[in-house]
Amino acid sequence: EVQLVESGGGLVQPGGSLRLSCAASGFTFSSNWMSWVRQAPGKGLERVANIKGDGSEKYYVDSVKGRFTISRDNAKSSLYLQMNSLRAEDTAVYYCAREVAVAFDFWGQGTLVTVSS
Amino acid sequence: QSALTQPPSASGSPGQSVTISCTGTSSDVGGYNYVSWYQQHPGKAPKLMIYEVSKRPSGVPDRFSGSKSGNTASLTVSGLQAEDEADYYCSSYAGSKVVFGGGTKLTVL
Repeated sequence: EVQLVESGGGLVQPGGSLRLSCAASGFTFSSNWMSWVRQAPGKGLERVANIKGDGSEKYYVDSVKGRFTISRDNAKSSLYLQMNSLRAEDTAVYYCAREVAVAFDFWGQGTLVTVSS
Repeated sequence: QSALTQPPSASGSPGQSVTISCTGTSSDVGGYNYVSWYQQHPGKAPKLMIYEVSKRPSGVPDRFSGSKSGNTASLTVSGLQAEDEADYYCSSYAGSKVVFGGGTKLTVL
């Protein structure tokens, strides 16, 4: 059974940093693209970043370029999102998702990030 | 403002069929056969219902079907059931990025 479990969310002040983690199990983690998808309160979905199975390719949405870094540790079957210079508009539930054929076929339960003073 | 346009709401009675549209451009929906649809119940993570325009993942009922014509994709839910009431989002590949619709709230009357 595929499982994705996020952690690391919380309340942070504007300008602060946070690191999200996603523990994966039930599939060959190193063979799959992985993504972080966020959903602001009451809003739609947005893919923030994704990373190829071997970590050689990474893509970011324009609004987080230079502030967020996606990474992975295939030995630990874990995905990460380092978020720096956080802004109020980054407030959202952040989901870890497996990406196959440009579709997100498995999702974690999400972790809430709140950026507020 | 979302890149893909969906109607904010749709509704139907149990047993009926309802179709939700998702309109983009030739740079996304019209240019690639990578349209997906997601179902999201309140407080839950999205669930993949359709990928590559019309393919259903294992376990998704065949009451759910997808199609595309030009720059508009559609999700049809046939034989509506109470548990189909949820938010539905479309997405499309758009050349190194993925764009989403704003979501459609489906109400089963």
